[in-house]
Amino acid sequence: DIQMTQSPSSVSASVGDRVTITCRASQDISRWLAWYQQKPGKAPKLLIYAASRLQGGVPSGFSGSGSGTDFTLTINSVQPEDFATYYCQQANSFPHTFGQGTKLEIK
Amino acid sequence: EVQLVESGGLVIQPGGSLRLSCAASGFTFRDYTMHWVRQAPGKGLEWVSLITWDGGSTFYADSVKGRFAISRDNSKNSLYLQMNTLRTEDTALYYCAKDTGSSIRGYYFDFWGQGTLVTVSS
Repeated sequence: DIQMTQSPSSVSASVGDRVTITCRASQDISRWLAWYQQKPGKAPKLLIYAASRLQGGVPSGFSGSGSGTDFTLTINSVQPEDFATYYCQQANSFPHTFGQGTKLEIK
Repeated sequence: EVQLVESGGLVIQPGGSLRLSCAASGFTFRDYTMHWVRQAPGKGLEWVSLITWDGGSTFYADSVKGRFAISRDNSKNSLYLQMNTLRTEDTALYYCAKDTGSSIRGYYFDFWGQGTLVTVSS
């Protein structure tokens, strides 16, 4: 199975800060990567797919980059509604695997 | 508006069986690959199973292979997960999720239900 490792596990930020979350795959997954946002008590929401494509309706302050084994999710200017847990997911091969999550907290 | 509504979760003893359902609306259900994804309390996300648009192909995580069976009824816009020989480690919120496409490999999950809670405990 492909292991997905996110870093950091948690990050504290203030409104307006730029935040970057990293996801590393244990083997080459090309650009078969997605990012999800999950708020407490809610289902995950697709933000980014194919490493860098913004899902419809997602604010342009979110961006994704990377290919191969190393990927990043960047939030350009953190807004109050962005405080949540973020997961990466690889779709290169079965089983589809997720990172362990990165919790974005208010500083 | 896409809606996925799961049902069937409850408290059950280890070794028991349970069938989860997911009612879909707001999109052409028969055109899409569908998934089950679970989340243990306070933990991360774990992909469980996939079924192609026509039900012709299914895939499972190793942790549930041989115990769980995914199925669908396109005439009823419904997805199912038959769960047998349940273990305490199967305790989780089970989400039904729509794939972004119809391929056999599955891609990404663009819509999710609210989840149904399965608790396996004696």
